[in-house]
Amino acid sequence: GAVVSQHPSRVICKSGTSVKIECRSLDFQATTMFWYRQFPKQSLMLMATSNEGSKATYEQGVEKDKFLINHASLTLSTLTVTSAHPEDSSFYICSAARTQETQYFGPGTRLLVL
Amino acid sequence: EDQVTQSPEALRLQEGESSSLNCSYTVSGLRGLFWYRQDPGKGPEFLFTLYSAGEEKEKERLKATLTKKESFLHITAPKPEDSATYLCAVPQGGSEKLVFGKGTKLTVNP
Repeated sequence: GAVVSQHPSRVICKSGTSVKIECRSLDFQATTMFWYRQFPKQSLMLMATSNEGSKATYEQGVEKDKFLINHASLTLSTLTVTSAHPEDSSFYICSAARTQETQYFGPGTRLLVL
Repeated sequence: EDQVTQSPEALRLQEGESSSLNCSYTVSGLRGLFWYRQDPGKGPEFLFTLYSAGEEKEKERLKATLTKKESFLHITAPKPEDSATYLCAVPQGGSEKLVFGKGTKLTVNP
């Protein structure tokens, strides 16, 4: 199967700082990447969809100025949590897909904001 | 509205005790049904994609089947390492976004 990596796997930061999470498709070119967050014992919640070279599409209720997404190439997307606060602490997961094909997920990034 | 419902929410089995997980869906124009496995603290791992009623796919002790209204994930003679949450998802009508069920948490006791 296709491999998607995320970096870092865990991050602890102070309230008010920004954190960048990278998502890479290692062995295929992804036309679309997705960003999810997952709270304990809950299913995945889609935050945004990004296509290479264009602006991300955010789900209702997700602040685009707080969660900045950049999809600079067919193998890399980044999510930046700006001015992070404790309520942003969560498990962030990306996925990558070719057009109309299976989404492959990264291993996730655990964010803890103190 | 597109919906995916998984049952049961949780399932406990003894090692070797076969069972099935259910995923029922309502979507306009099915473009595939996906099964994923998720271990605690990790991202979902892709298992199967099914596209049409009657299709079946197998991988080790797992077999996924699809009808026009639901999919089953059959687990034959499970082992403790099969313990995980199993997620079912379908593409939302007209988009590439996935609609996920809430998952079935499977625990296999030795």
